[in-house]
Amino acid sequence: AQRVTQPEKLLSVFKGAPVELKCNYSYSGSPELFWYVQYSRQRLQLLLRHISRESIKGFTADLNKGETSFHLKKPFAQEEDSAMYYCALSEIIQGAQKLVFGQGTRLTINP
Amino acid sequence: DAGVTQSPTHLIKTRGQQVTLRCSPKSGHDTVSWYQQALGQGPQFIFQYYEEEERQRGNFPDRFSGHQFPNYSSELNVNALLLGDSALYLCASSLPRGPLHFGNGTRLTVT
Repeated sequence: AQRVTQPEKLLSVFKGAPVELKCNYSYSGSPELFWYVQYSRQRLQLLLRHISRESIKGFTADLNKGETSFHLKKPFAQEEDSAMYYCALSEIIQGAQKLVFGQGTRLTINP
Repeated sequence: DAGVTQSPTHLIKTRGQQVTLRCSPKSGHDTVSWYQQALGQGPQFIFQYYEEEERQRGNFPDRFSGHQFPNYSSELNVNALLLGDSALYLCASSLPRGPLHFGNGTRLTVT
């Protein structure tokens, strides 16, 4: 079965320090992976997707098929990065896209 | 553009009752997906609607049903409510294989 695992429920780092949010997945096909973010009192929104290979708000994520990982990284954390982060895997079944989410990691950036 | 709008924002129901949640998709989107997010968990896929038909369904009982209207808006109905149905219900709209745009959700509490 398709599964996304985010091993850390909570992660706390100091401002300016590097941050890495871990995500591992299990999927039998060729995966399409996403990171979604939810800032306080805001809706869940797409942060980045692996196929676009872009950097958003300084965050990057590289798909490692050998390790089945899609970790989210930022070299220098900022206070406004404090939020809930969800890794998600897209599964297409009969033309319908379904996202399988991990449990999420709450990132806190300390001043 | 108002984005995805959901109503109501909060709802309290008694066990055994029925509930209807509503969603208006982002302008230009024709596909609506519903997710259930229990406390401390990532969103779980309920089903997706496209062209007024249910295209794909997650692991939810038949008590959960939905509908999509010609204007692409959608409803989620839950019958015979259980205490375990208490959750945040998220609606997401998209083009058929495009990135999902989420609403703010409806917080359902079953007592």
